[in-house]
Amino acid sequence: EAQVTQNPRYLITVTGKKLTVTCSQNMNHEYMSWYRQDPGLGLRQIYYSMNVEVTDKGDVPEGYKVSRKEKRNFPLILESPSPNQTSLYFCASRRGGPSGNQPQHFGDGTRLSIL
Amino acid sequence: QQPVQSPQAVILREGEDAVINCSSSKALYSVHWYRQKHGEAPVFLMILLKGGEQKGHEKISASFNEKKQQSSLYLTASQLSYSGTYFCGTERNTGNQFYFGTGTSLTVIP
Repeated sequence: EAQVTQNPRYLITVTGKKLTVTCSQNMNHEYMSWYRQDPGLGLRQIYYSMNVEVTDKGDVPEGYKVSRKEKRNFPLILESPSPNQTSLYFCASRRGGPSGNQPQHFGDGTRLSIL
Repeated sequence: QQPVQSPQAVILREGEDAVINCSSSKALYSVHWYRQKHGEAPVFLMILLKGGEQKGHEKISASFNEKKQQSSLYLTASQLSYSGTYFCGTERNTGNQFYFGTGTSLTVIP
C-alpha cells in the first residue's frame, strides 16, 4: 500500500530535549515536505526537499532542521524544542517533475507537545 | 504570501450548495484543493493549472482565474460526507515552495 509513515504519532516532551520525527514514503517520490498546522493559521511549510541531498527552507524554518540522505526518508529534527513548537506536524511527498501538477500525499500527522 | 480563503466557516443543510474562495496577492502557477476531516491528514481533491480552467470531481468542481489570482471551489447538493476543512494550496512558479490557505470549515447538517 502506498503510504507516508510518520513516527511518533504523539509526543510530549520538555523544553530543550532534542527530538526527531521520522517520515518515510514507499512511493519513490522525489519531493518531500514538512508542514505544521496551528489553529487559524492553516498548514505552513517548514522545509522541503526536491531530491536526495537537496533541501530548502519553507515559510517557517526557524528552530527546525531536516536531512535527506535517502530518497524515502525525510526526518524533522528539533534540536532545542520550545513551547512555541507545540503543534500538529505533517509530512508529505509527491512525484518530481513540474511542480504544479502533482498531488501531495500526507502522513497521518504527529502531535507534539513541548512543556 | 499565504492565500486568503473565504468564508472562514459555513454551515449547510444536506442538498445545499456552497462556494469557497481562495485569493492570492501573488501570481499563481497552480492551485490545489484538499479536504481535511477532523484529526486526519489532508486529502487531495484536485489541481488546476491553467488560467480559466475548471475541473470537476463528483459534485465538487473548481475554477481558476489566473489573471485575478483567484480560485473557487463549488460544492453542489452537499452531502454529510462533505463536512471538513477545505484548504487551497498555491505555487507561484516551479520553485516548489508551497503555500496553503488558512482553511474553510464546512459543516453539513441533516
